Amino acid sequence: DGGITQSPKYLFRKEGQNVTLSCEQNLNHDAMYWYRQDPGQGLRLIYYSQIVNDFQKGDIAEGYSVSREKKESFPLTVTSAQKNPTAFYLCASSIDGGEADTQYFGPGTRLTVL
Amino acid sequence: AQKITQTQPGMFVQEKEAVTLDCTYDTSDQSYGLFWYKQPSSGEMIFLIYQGSYDEQNATEGRYSLNFQKARKSANLVISASQLGDSAMYFCAMREGDNDMRFGAGTRLTVKP
Repeated sequence: DGGITQSPKYLFRKEGQNVTLSCEQNLNHDAMYWYRQDPGQGLRLIYYSQIVNDFQKGDIAEGYSVSREKKESFPLTVTSAQKNPTAFYLCASSIDGGEADTQYFGPGTRLTVL
Repeated sequence: AQKITQTQPGMFVQEKEAVTLDCTYDTSDQSYGLFWYKQPSSGEMIFLIYQGSYDEQNATEGRYSLNFQKARKSANLVISASQLGDSAMYFCAMREGDNDMRFGAGTRLTVKP
């Protein structure tokens, strides 16, 4: 089955620790995205990548880092520099990142900092 | 400035009735795309429908239709024959050219039996 997988579904982290969220897609999409969602709010873009080995910052990139070494994978690291990391994180992919290009989402990872 | 505005934080509809979820947007571009997503309590964002700014016909996908009024910059989602499974958060989003997709704050729809 084609789709986007995110793991883990729930993640707990102690303050001061880095943590990496996984995102994998087998849709052969060029573009991938990371969003953050806080309770009762819409999605905000953290990072996106339109091609392997290249990525751009979104609106709220501070305290986060990404890599895109393979087309299928776009892991997000939440670093200790992120001041309020507790949130729901959604990964998405699309064919090429164009205007009419629909983004398809994974099931999300809920991160809680203890 | 807010690009996408969804003015209804919550909406109720009776099962089998139709409901309209409002969305207005702000852009000076001529070319843009409008999207609606559904987010059930599980959290996954499910794509529902797309409307391009140059599309003359309103988009339809099964029970979903998009009431696109370009001059008023509105892109309301109409759900016909509501079902209990339609209860969810609904997000309107816009993409201008190759720029980032912008999401509204969402509307929580509750379908009553």
